[in-house]
Amino acid sequence: EAQVTQNPRYLITVTGKKLTVTCSQNMNHEYMSWYRQDPGLGLRQIYYSMNVEVTDKGDVPEGYKVSRKEKRNFPLILESPSPNQTSLYFCASSLDLSYNEQFFGPGTRLTVL
Amino acid sequence: AQRVTQPEKLLSVFKGAPVELKCNYSYSGSPELFWYVQYSRQRLQLLLRHISRESIKGFTADLNKGETSFHLKKPFAQEEDSAMYYCALMGPGGYQKVTFGIGTKLQVIP
Repeated sequence: EAQVTQNPRYLITVTGKKLTVTCSQNMNHEYMSWYRQDPGLGLRQIYYSMNVEVTDKGDVPEGYKVSRKEKRNFPLILESPSPNQTSLYFCASSLDLSYNEQFFGPGTRLTVL
Repeated sequence: AQRVTQPEKLLSVFKGAPVELKCNYSYSGSPELFWYVQYSRQRLQLLLRHISRESIKGFTADLNKGETSFHLKKPFAQEEDSAMYYCALMGPGGYQKVTFGIGTKLQVIP
């Protein structure tokens, strides 16, 4: 089944403890992206990747890192999480955006205490 | 900077009434625009994109470059249309930053 998967789905952590949220797609998509969703702010793009080893900043990249070593995986890294990074995170992928839709993952709810 | 504005956080309409979800954008150039929908307990999914000029589930959206708008319309609302709707903008080319609006919750009253 064609899909985008994220792990973990729920995570509670403490300030400063490094964490990684994984994202994987099995559709051979070139474009992958991370968003955070916050009440009243909608979805905001954190980082995106056009292909392997090619990444760029979205609207809210501060405090996050990403890597794209393989086409199928696009992990989101929080080196030193802070409470303001408590949010619902979505990964998405697309063959390209002009003619193909973004497929979204199920979301990861992160709480930083 | 690119920006998407959805002025209504909540829109309530009666079943059978027309629906218009507003979206205005700011972008220096020719953007590509999309509407995404999130039904309760489901993943965010594409509803339609301006480049395809399509009608999905009875919804249409026309890009008005003069008014920088991309409003979503449906002539007769149905209960199953109740959901969160997000307007999104991207620069041309297929591999660009994407900016979403804050979303409008559509509530269709039976």
